[in-house]
Amino acid sequence: DVKVTQSSRYLVKRTGEKVFLECVQDMDHENMFWYRQDPGLGLRLIYFSYDVKMKEKGDIPEGYSVSREKKERFSLILESASTNQTSMYLCASSLVLADQETQYFGPGTRLLVL
Amino acid sequence: AQSVTQLGSHVSVSEGALVLLRCNYSSSVPPYLFWYVQYPNQGLQLLLKYTSAATLVKGINGFEAEFKKSETSFHLTKPSAHMRDAAEYFCAVSDMWSGGSNYKLTFGKGTLLTVNP
Repeated sequence: DVKVTQSSRYLVKRTGEKVFLECVQDMDHENMFWYRQDPGLGLRLIYFSYDVKMKEKGDIPEGYSVSREKKERFSLILESASTNQTSMYLCASSLVLADQETQYFGPGTRLLVL
Repeated sequence: AQSVTQLGSHVSVSEGALVLLRCNYSSSVPPYLFWYVQYPNQGLQLLLKYTSAATLVKGINGFEAEFKKSETSFHLTKPSAHMRDAAEYFCAVSDMWSGGSNYKLTFGKGTLLTVNP
């Protein structure tokens, strides 16, 4: 089974703090993704990466950055956390196979910024 | 860019009743379509996907979806709801990333399914 793990299930931070969210996948997938999920808005793509050290902006990259130094690990960084970044963050990975991409999700990190 | 519309943010059914969750998409090319389920306090799990092989797609837990190109729809159904089906369901469409052959998904806003005893 594909396993995607996220470093924390729940996190409480203060405004202005630098926050790191870590994601690890164990299936040698090329692609990794970070989403945020908010009630009534569904999932919105923040950043994705299709290879080590490669990254692409998603639909809402403002206030976030990412790092992918190793294939299995994709980090989301909030340089200076703000209250409007309180959300559920979901990481996913995928293996593109004949254009039939299936994304596999981690359990999510619920972040509260005070 | 492609988009997905899920009609009804909340659907409530009785146990044993038919489940119908609606999804319409917009796409200028034949899409790949997905349904994911999210149980409380968990990540998303793939239910089924359409990749142009067959218009009626069967997934896990007794769910199925039918691709109707003329209606640009991919509605999710289950003949008989069970209490354990209570969850949030997301429809998604693949979207060609301009950088090459990799795809990224665009998700609908989700439909919360409640099953009443």
